[in-house]
Amino acid sequence: DQQVKQNSPSLSVQEGRISILNCDYTNSMFDYFLWYKKYPAEGPTFLISISSIKDKNEDGRFTVFLNKSAKHLSLHIVPSQPGDSAVYFCAAKLSGGGADGLTFGKGTHLIIQP
Amino acid sequence: DSGVTQTPKHLITATGQRVTLRCSPRSGDLSVYWYQQSLDQGLQFLIQYYNGEERAKGNILERFSAQQFPDLHSELNLSSLELGDSALYFCASSDHRGVRGEQYFGPGTRLTVT
Repeated sequence: DQQVKQNSPSLSVQEGRISILNCDYTNSMFDYFLWYKKYPAEGPTFLISISSIKDKNEDGRFTVFLNKSAKHLSLHIVPSQPGDSAVYFCAAKLSGGGADGLTFGKGTHLIIQP
Repeated sequence: DSGVTQTPKHLITATGQRVTLRCSPRSGDLSVYWYQQSLDQGLQFLIQYYNGEERAKGNILERFSAQQFPDLHSELNLSSLELGDSALYFCASSDHRGVRGEQYFGPGTRLTVT
């Protein structure tokens, strides 16, 4: 049972445009959601997170939106740059004081076209 | 560079063998997490240690075990290896007891079982 789903295995966006990556979840007990970026042959790098009590968090070019009623979150990257080409993972943490690891989606491969 | 180190980078071994993967967390981080990334799966949480004590278990097989030492480095032991154990193994660490969820990942160990 996949509790965190990223339904788009890949996404191609032109440089300078907005990239929107989507993620759906099923477990209402998740209290934090995170986005990670991964380049080949490297470990995932933390990008941005959002608490389940918020609906938006912004950090520079990256904004995460959370729609709790739809159990959906999205990552917006504006403007998209060539260095943004990577695999993006959506992850979620269960409430309970940090005693659990993260539950990850399978990732979306973002390709920024020049 | 996340500050998390993992050794070795690559490991090739035969079925039935036993291997040990090593992880050093970021300076000051008390929590260490182990994840497995197979080709057809996303990142799967295996186990978490906090300050030397096991804190949470995920999808870890009985053939796998881990420990965290007084200097906070951690080792993941994989025994009676099978072809299906071939995967990337990531270690991550965090400093907030995982409350906000951010974990910082090492570069991974690629295990190939032949």
